[in-house]
Amino acid sequence: NAGVTQTPKFQVLKTGQSMTLQCAQDMNHEYMSWYRQDPGMGLRLIHYSVGAGITDQGEVPNGYNVSRSTTEDFPLRLLSAAPSQTSVYFCASSWDRAAKNIQYFGAGTRLSVL
Amino acid sequence: KNEVEQSPQNLTAQEGEFITINCSYSVGISALHWLQQHPGGGIVSLFMLSSGKKKHGRLIATINIQEKHSSLHITASHPRDSAVYICAVMRVGSQGNLIFGKGTKLSVKP
Repeated sequence: NAGVTQTPKFQVLKTGQSMTLQCAQDMNHEYMSWYRQDPGMGLRLIHYSVGAGITDQGEVPNGYNVSRSTTEDFPLRLLSAAPSQTSVYFCASSWDRAAKNIQYFGAGTRLSVL
Repeated sequence: KNEVEQSPQNLTAQEGEFITINCSYSVGISALHWLQQHPGGGIVSLFMLSSGKKKHGRLIATINIQEKHSSLHITASHPRDSAVYICAVMRVGSQGNLIFGKGTKLSVKP
């Protein structure tokens, strides 16, 4: 049972480049989310999804797009990378938005934008 | 003011010591989570609480809803407990979204 899988683990981009961070879970979880973690700050929610075909913005959505075409996958797209997007990104999932559920986290993607 | 405050920010302990990490929050919540972030970066969920107390091995988590406060205790601490401990709350009425504290960095010396 793989849990939540994130790829890549590390990435270096130049300003203006685009890329997609992949997130997949094999637990049939309805709720998936993307966070960024910056030094001296708590994890901040970028986007989330409460089920296939449904996405919504979190606290810091600017510069990021998401889609949820299947229950398993929740990719995060950077359309035009900026140095301010240098961060560590975590994907997480849980059974259901309404219930009080344990969150399962991926291993993280460390992104540097030069 | 942050909605979730943790104290202390950094904590150094000797192996075997009893450790307490505190979390205070200012919003109504339906649940509170304690997470552990390993030095390698991975995040693991330790506890989810909505009332009372939970225990798992040497870890104990308590919550006082009236006082909007939770504590994470580690008994007989060990160097392998060295990690960042993160408190996160699920606000009442939210769609399952969490609000995170900044974390407490614990270092346990042998």
